[in-house]
Amino acid sequence: DTGVSQNPRHKITKRGQNVTFRCDPISEHNRLYWYRQTLGQGPEFLTYFQNEAQLEKSRLLSDRFSAERPKGSFSTLEIQRTEQGDSAMYLCASSPGTGQTEEQFFGPGTRLTVL
Amino acid sequence: GESVGLHLPTLSVQEGDNSIINCAYSNSASDYFIWYKQESGKGPQFIIDIRSNMDKRQGQRVTVLLNKTVKHLSLQIAATQPGDSAVYFCAETANFNKFYFGSGTKLNVKP
Repeated sequence: DTGVSQNPRHKITKRGQNVTFRCDPISEHNRLYWYRQTLGQGPEFLTYFQNEAQLEKSRLLSDRFSAERPKGSFSTLEIQRTEQGDSAMYLCASSPGTGQTEEQFFGPGTRLTVL
Repeated sequence: GESVGLHLPTLSVQEGDNSIINCAYSNSASDYFIWYKQESGKGPQFIIDIRSNMDKRQGQRVTVLLNKTVKHLSLQIAATQPGDSAVYFCAETANFNKFYFGSGTKLNVKP
């Protein structure tokens, strides 16, 4: 399967713990996006990478959130000192970045539940 | 199971009818738009896109219309099928760095 993969698919944690999610984009896709989605809402932009460079970060992203894409391939999203309000689906998407189309291919998401 | 369609506006259509889903976007500088379909428990799936230099684009059974004057986007689905039942989101961007998604419409196709 050459689609976007995310791990883990589900994560249950206690308030105050740190969690890290991984996204493996489609090979050779330059652009990688992280979104957060809560029930009944559309995906909410969190951050964006062009290769290994993090070019945009939503002001909604507190200092507890950090994302990396060290080699321009997979990416990680870490949430420190989780809060109950962090409970959501975290979606990753990648796109070619060639300019012809910016079709974003989404992964299945990581469902985070903070108790 | 989890539903992405809770509390969303719902459009109910009969199988075989045409569906029209509307979206109002906010940023007049947006120059690229995408429609996504999301089924319960899955990530959004690309349907069709359109750039701001166009007002209409057609795909297989789907057509997207863009009215920049009133900042309105619509998705038309011809001969709607039960497999089209899902939540549909429009998304806009002005620079491909940030994409803003609408709140979504749930399409319910009755057999």
